[in-house]
Amino acid sequence: GDSVTQMEGPVTLSEEAFLTINCTYTATGYPSLFWYVQYPGEGLQLLLKATKADDKGSNKGFEATYRKETTSFHLEKGSVQVSDSAVYFCALSPSGAQKLVFGQGTRLTINP
Amino acid sequence: GAGVSQSPSNKVTEKGKDVELRCDPISGHTALYWYRQSLGQGLEFLIYFQGNSAPDKSGLPSDRFSAERTGGSVSTLTIQRTQQEDSAVYLCASSLEKSSYEQYFGPGTRLTVT
Repeated sequence: GDSVTQMEGPVTLSEEAFLTINCTYTATGYPSLFWYVQYPGEGLQLLLKATKADDKGSNKGFEATYRKETTSFHLEKGSVQVSDSAVYFCALSPSGAQKLVFGQGTRLTINP
Repeated sequence: GAGVSQSPSNKVTEKGKDVELRCDPISGHTALYWYRQSLGQGLEFLIYFQGNSAPDKSGLPSDRFSAERTGGSVSTLTIQRTQQEDSAVYLCASSLEKSSYEQYFGPGTRLTVT
């Protein structure tokens, strides 16, 4: 079945460091891909999305590119801030379905 | 505007009791989803409602779980004869029919079965 595998955490970085959180997926057809974020004490929020191969999603300085050849959707940010500390979830929506399939989540902590 | 709301925010129940969890979606959103977030299983899809169509129940883990959506708005997730493994945070999300890929999540109900 469809699945998402993302880099295990926790990840701890210093402010202004470069961030990569790896995400790979297994799916039939052409899924849509997402990154959701859960800030401390808050609900899940959509961070960015890409709906077809080679699309790049971006928001709040974060980017991810839909790579069909490597079945990947890695999340990157050039310079992280303390306020980026959160749990990040990679997810896919299978082709023709409405549900989301989530990865396990990666807890990110940014130290000042 | 108001987001997705869920009640109660926390629920502690004894093993074997039934519980009902409520979700109020964003006004105008025709699609409603339930997910479960637990330490062992991560975030799992449970059930999906879209308008008047038959719900997609493919994620419900057992026949102790059921959900309904009345009047195309509020939804109730019912767990009968609760077990300790049902302890989790139950999340509700809603979306517009035409932009169903962007789901807006509620704060969740934390269920603890003792």
